[in-house]
Amino acid sequence: GQNIDQPTEMTATEGAIVQINCTYQTSGFNGLFWYQQHAGEAPTFLSYNVLDGLEEKGRFSSFLSRSKGYSYLLLKELQMKDSASYLCAVDSMDSNYQLIWGAGTKLIIKP
Amino acid sequence: NAGVMQNPRHLVRRRGQEARLRCSPMKGHSHVYWYRQLPEEGLKFMVYLQKENIIDESGMPKERFSAEFPKEGPSILRIQQVVRGDSAAYFCASSPTDREGYGYTFGSGTRLTVV
Repeated sequence: GQNIDQPTEMTATEGAIVQINCTYQTSGFNGLFWYQQHAGEAPTFLSYNVLDGLEEKGRFSSFLSRSKGYSYLLLKELQMKDSASYLCAVDSMDSNYQLIWGAGTKLIIKP
Repeated sequence: NAGVMQNPRHLVRRRGQEARLRCSPMKGHSHVYWYRQLPEEGLKFMVYLQKENIIDESGMPKERFSAEFPKEGPSILRIQQVVRGDSAAYFCASSPTDREGYGYTFGSGTRLTVV
């Protein structure tokens, strides 16, 4: 079967760094996405990785290792507004053009 | 350039009534996906449509739920004879034909409350 795992919840301190991990098992792989979702709002696109390595975009970076079926989202200089759920999604070529979604990691930022 | 438009934003229905949720994809997007999300839970895939075609409805309950994406007009998710358990946020997302690296763009969702 196809499966994506993320921690359910994480807590971090304002100004600190946090790493949110995502492991996946899919029968095909065509890229991995990270989305941010604030409570009561729609998910918004953060990053896309298709090749191994680190993609940096401001305070947010995303890493991918295809051989390990592993990705992480790194958030630096945390701000209170970063409190949200972070969703990992895999584009599996075998999933009929659907993205396969993790359940999301709820990130709580404390002052 | 409007994003994915969903309406209504909030919908209240009594048990047994019908709920009709609308989704207009982004301009140039021909793929529409509907998701349901319960509070504190992840997105649950319901159905994937292209114009005039249902591509995958494996996530949609067999009874009471239906979806369409006509040649003209928005995609519609219809829930007949709603029950309290249907209360959730329903998100629509769209993607272009060639969405390599693009992912989905989500609408703001419709929050359905069944009383």
